[in-house]
Amino acid sequence: KNQVEQSPQSLIILEGKNCTLQCNYTVSPFSNLRWYKQDTGRGPVSLTIMTFSENTKSNGRYTATLDADTKQSSLHITASQLSDSASYICVVSGNTDKLIFGTGTRLQVFP
Amino acid sequence: DAGITQSPRHKVTETGTPVTLRCHQTENHRYMYWYRQDPGHGLRLIHYSYGVKDTDKGEVSDGYSVSRSKTEDFLLTLESATSSQTSVYFCAISETLGQAWAPRGYTFGSGTRLTVV
Repeated sequence: KNQVEQSPQSLIILEGKNCTLQCNYTVSPFSNLRWYKQDTGRGPVSLTIMTFSENTKSNGRYTATLDADTKQSSLHITASQLSDSASYICVVSGNTDKLIFGTGTRLQVFP
Repeated sequence: DAGITQSPRHKVTETGTPVTLRCHQTENHRYMYWYRQDPGHGLRLIHYSYGVKDTDKGEVSDGYSVSRSKTEDFLLTLESATSSQTSVYFCAISETLGQAWAPRGYTFGSGTRLTVV
């Protein structure tokens, strides 16, 4: 069964600290993986997309990595800010156009 | 969210009543989607549209119907609302089907929080 699992479910960090969110998937064959950020009361917004051949991609303080062999991705946030408080959702596509969503990691950044 | 509007933002309704949620886009994107988001679940696709009057079912379509009479509008109808349909509903749009070739991924609306009592 195609699944996307994210860990941890929730995370609390202090402003200025770094953190890493994990995404493991069983989708096969694999096409691409996208990370979304969802602020409370808002819809998800795309942060980055990674395809099979990409290992690392950055978007400002966000860096996503992909290991297609182990079917794992991570999202690293550097020098966290209060505005980083949100849920982060990993979304995987296989050889169809269907999107498989993880349940997300809820990040809270405190001053 | 720029280019996509959902209405209403919040709604409380009684079991057994019909409910229609509206999604309006100004991006002229071909593809439109309705998802529901529930605790402990990832977003789940209800229905999607690939053009005017062209729609198809998603993974959780039972109890829902959709219509798209204009490119910019996609309506989701709960024919007879049940408590299990209490959820947050998101509309999304994209230039292509699937996320691979959509430069910015899907664009989501801000959601409609529906409570069925």
